Amino acid sequence: EAQVTQNPRYLITVTGKKLTVTCSQNMNHEYMSWYRQDPGLGLRQIYYSMNVEVTDKGDVPEGYKVSRKEKRNFPLILESPSPNQTSLYFCASRRAGSTDTQYFGPGTRLTVL
Amino acid sequence: QKEVEQNSGPLSVPEGAIASLNCTYSDRVSQSFFWYRQYSGKSPELIMSIYSNGDKEDGRFTAQLNKASQYVSLLIRDSQPSDSATYLCAVGVKGTYKYIFGTGTRLKVLA
Repeated sequence: EAQVTQNPRYLITVTGKKLTVTCSQNMNHEYMSWYRQDPGLGLRQIYYSMNVEVTDKGDVPEGYKVSRKEKRNFPLILESPSPNQTSLYFCASRRAGSTDTQYFGPGTRLTVL
Repeated sequence: QKEVEQNSGPLSVPEGAIASLNCTYSDRVSQSFFWYRQYSGKSPELIMSIYSNGDKEDGRFTAQLNKASQYVSLLIRDSQPSDSATYLCAVGVKGTYKYIFGTGTRLKVLA
């Protein structure tokens, strides 16, 4: 089954404790992206990757890091989480063609205390 | 001014009616246009994509794009209670791989 998976689905952590949210897709997609969703602000793009070892900032990259060492994986790293990073996070992937659909993962609800 | 704007709603329509959802965008982001449906607590799911001016129909859904007026709309015919969700408008940024989403319109279809 074609899918995007994220782990963990729920995470409660404390300020300053480094964490990684994993994202994996089994569709051989070149393009992957991370979003956060907050009430009243909608979905905002954090980082995206056009292919292995190629990443770029979205609209809200501050406080986040990403890496793309393999085509299927695109982890999101919070080196020193803060309460303002409490949010619902989505990973998405699609093929490289500009007209292709983005497929979203199930989401990770992160709470930073 | 936000780059992609939607009325947050809720938009309430009776079952069987036509629901009309609208989205306006700034010129910077005008490349590709998408409508997603999102149920509470779930991930966005693509309903329609549209790339050129005019109408595009898929079952009960019609997307309409007017680049001159910088708006894109989604019509849902014969609305069902299962259509009750938040509808997100997304626009691809010209010359990049970036997407900008509107904040969504909450639709309620009343049985």
